Amino acid sequence: EADIYQTPRYLVIGTGKKITLECSQTMGHDKMYWYQQDPGMELHLIHYSYGVNSTEKGDLSSESTVSRIRTEHFPLTLESARPSHTSQYLCASSEYARGWTEAFFGQGTRLTVV
Amino acid sequence: EDKVVQSPLSLVVHEGDTVTLNCSYEVTNFRSLLWYKQEKKAPTFLFMLTSSGIEKKSGRLSSILDKKELFSILNITATQTGDSAIYLCAVGTQGAQKLVFGQGTRLTINP
Repeated sequence: EADIYQTPRYLVIGTGKKITLECSQTMGHDKMYWYQQDPGMELHLIHYSYGVNSTEKGDLSSESTVSRIRTEHFPLTLESARPSHTSQYLCASSEYARGWTEAFFGQGTRLTVV
Repeated sequence: EDKVVQSPLSLVVHEGDTVTLNCSYEVTNFRSLLWYKQEKKAPTFLFMLTSSGIEKKSGRLSSILDKKELFSILNITATQTGDSAIYLCAVGTQGAQKLVFGQGTRLTINP
C-alpha cells in the first residue's frame, strides 16, 4: 500500500482566503508532483520537484506555489483562493533511479471556493 | 511540448466484451509508459512499459508498447462491471523527469 497522504480530503473555503494543501510521503521518493483534475477531465501537471529545494512549474499555469524543504513534504499554497481554483488536486511521488518507477498517488483534495 | 493522446475518450460496452484502449505520445527523451486505473479518487497503477514488443499481463488486462510508432494499447478481455473506470496513460521523460498524462478513456461496462 502506498504511503502518500493528502490533507484535507475536502475543503470548502471563501474567496480571498489563503489555503495550504498538504502532501506527505514516507517512501523516501525524490520526485513529487501536484496535478489538478476537474471532474471527468485529464490530469494537468501544475508543479513538480526533483528533491529538496527544487521546484518546477508544470505544463498548466497555476497561481499556486509549492515548497520542498523536506524530502517527505510537498505543500501547495494558494495565497488568495478564487472560484476558478475549484478542482481536485492530486499529489504523487515516484523514484527515479536507473529508470522510472510507478508514481504513487495520494487520495486527493477536493477544493471548492465559494 | 510533450503530449500524450488517448482514444477513445469514452467507450460503453457490455459485460463480457473485449476492449482495446489506445495511447499515443510525442515526448522528448521517452523513458517509460504507464497505465493507471482511476475509479473514485486516486489513480492506481496497472503497468509500466519500457521496452517495445514485450506484453505485460495481469489477469484479464494486458498491455504492449511500440516505441517505433510511439503508442501503446491496453486490452481488457471478458470485461466486468468492476472494470468501469477512467484509464489513464502517462509517459515518463528522462530529461525533465516528469510524468505527462493523457486525457484518459472513460470506460463503462453495462451488465
